[in-house]
Amino acid sequence: DAGVIQSPRHEVTEMGQEVTLRCKPISGHNSLFWYRQTMMRGLELLIYFNNNVPIDDSGMPEDRFSAKMPNASFSTLKIQPSEPRDSAVYFCASSQRQGNEKLFFGSGTQLSVL
Amino acid sequence: AQKITQTQPGMFVQEKEAVTLDCTYDTSDQSYGLFWYKQPSSGEMIFLIYQGSYDEQNATEGRYSLNFQKARKSANLVISASQLGDSAMYFCAMREGPRSNDYKLSFGAGTTVTVRA
Repeated sequence: DAGVIQSPRHEVTEMGQEVTLRCKPISGHNSLFWYRQTMMRGLELLIYFNNNVPIDDSGMPEDRFSAKMPNASFSTLKIQPSEPRDSAVYFCASSQRQGNEKLFFGSGTQLSVL
Repeated sequence: AQKITQTQPGMFVQEKEAVTLDCTYDTSDQSYGLFWYKQPSSGEMIFLIYQGSYDEQNATEGRYSLNFQKARKSANLVISASQLGDSAMYFCAMREGPRSNDYKLSFGAGTTVTVRA
């Protein structure tokens, strides 16, 4: 199993630019989560999907953030326009939503907005 | 309100000794799950151990064990026979439900463990 795949691993961009983060969950997993990690706020849940449907986006900080899951094998998190305070590590995770429902995390995307 | 509390920001432990990482949680659900994850300096999040609220036995996974005290709402992680490779940040997390039908995890602030040779 390839695990959760995120791209890019690192992204450096200038303030005001659009940023798109990508995620491929583990095949067969029907829940997908986007987390953001910063030193100040730790791990924060931004949004999660069950069966490709957004369930809870209350963690999305502003309208500049949007997430989509067009099919079971792909999700994107978009920031437009980006700001320096968006600099963080963004994790995607997936789970099977049964049993102990442990999350499998991707390697994360280190985003730096200059 | 903080759902997961990890009061130890950092800990040092001597190689081959055991270390206990504290975690307390807050929930009104009867059914919930508790998790521990490890994040080494490379950044990935690695699942370590899981404890269900109805599990009567404390969970164990190799050198990891979870000291689950339901009445005190604590789920401490014990790492036995520490190794240099155990140096990392450790996160406690909770999944509330299924009453709320909400399968998201809430994470604590983490504890940094440094293993000394």
